[in-house]
Amino acid sequence: EVQLLESGGGLVQPGGSLRLSCSASGFTFSSYAMSWVRQAPGKGLEWVSAVAGSSTFYADSVKGRFTISRDNSKNTLYLQMNSLRAEDTALYSCAKGPTGSWVGLEYWGQGTLVTVSS
Amino acid sequence: QTVVTQEPSLTVSPGGTVTLTCASSSGIVTSGYYPNWFQQKPGQAPRPLIYSTNNKHSWTPARFSGSLLGVKAALTLSGVQPEDEAEYYCLLYYNGAGIFGGGTKLTVL
Repeated sequence: EVQLLESGGGLVQPGGSLRLSCSASGFTFSSYAMSWVRQAPGKGLEWVSAVAGSSTFYADSVKGRFTISRDNSKNTLYLQMNSLRAEDTALYSCAKGPTGSWVGLEYWGQGTLVTVSS
Repeated sequence: QTVVTQEPSLTVSPGGTVTLTCASSSGIVTSGYYPNWFQQKPGQAPRPLIYSTNNKHSWTPARFSGSLLGVKAALTLSGVQPEDEAEYYCLLYYNGAGIFGGGTKLTVL
């Protein structure tokens, strides 16, 4: 059974940093593209970032501030978030890509809440 | 800044058919944008329905289908059930980076 468990969320001041983790199990982690998606309270979904093979991709809204990475030996995906802004406040979820596709979001975690506020 | 546009809301009768669309401000939506569709009910995580235009996940009910319709991507629900009332999001990929549409609130009435 595919399981994705996010952690690392919390309250941070504007301009601060936070690192999110996504612990994966139930599949061969290194073989799949992985993504981060966020949803602000009461708002729609926003794609944040993805890693596929050695390539990384970012939404314009986070480019230069967020860094996605993975440790295949630990089956863990990360999102380093710097220079955080109030508009980054959201539930952050990690997602596994579908088999045979370098894009897409097949399985989702339940998310970790990030609140940026003074 | 590319914008992905969906109908804000649609209403359908139980047993009916409805098509939700997904447009790109950059032009014609093709299979190269790998259209994805998701269903989200209040308080729940999004549930993937369709990936890469028309591929269903193992849990996707047969009444859901994805396609390209004119210049847009489309999600068609045939034989709508009351439990299909939800918010639906499309996702398009632009050279690896994704952009979600604003969502369509589907009411079954």
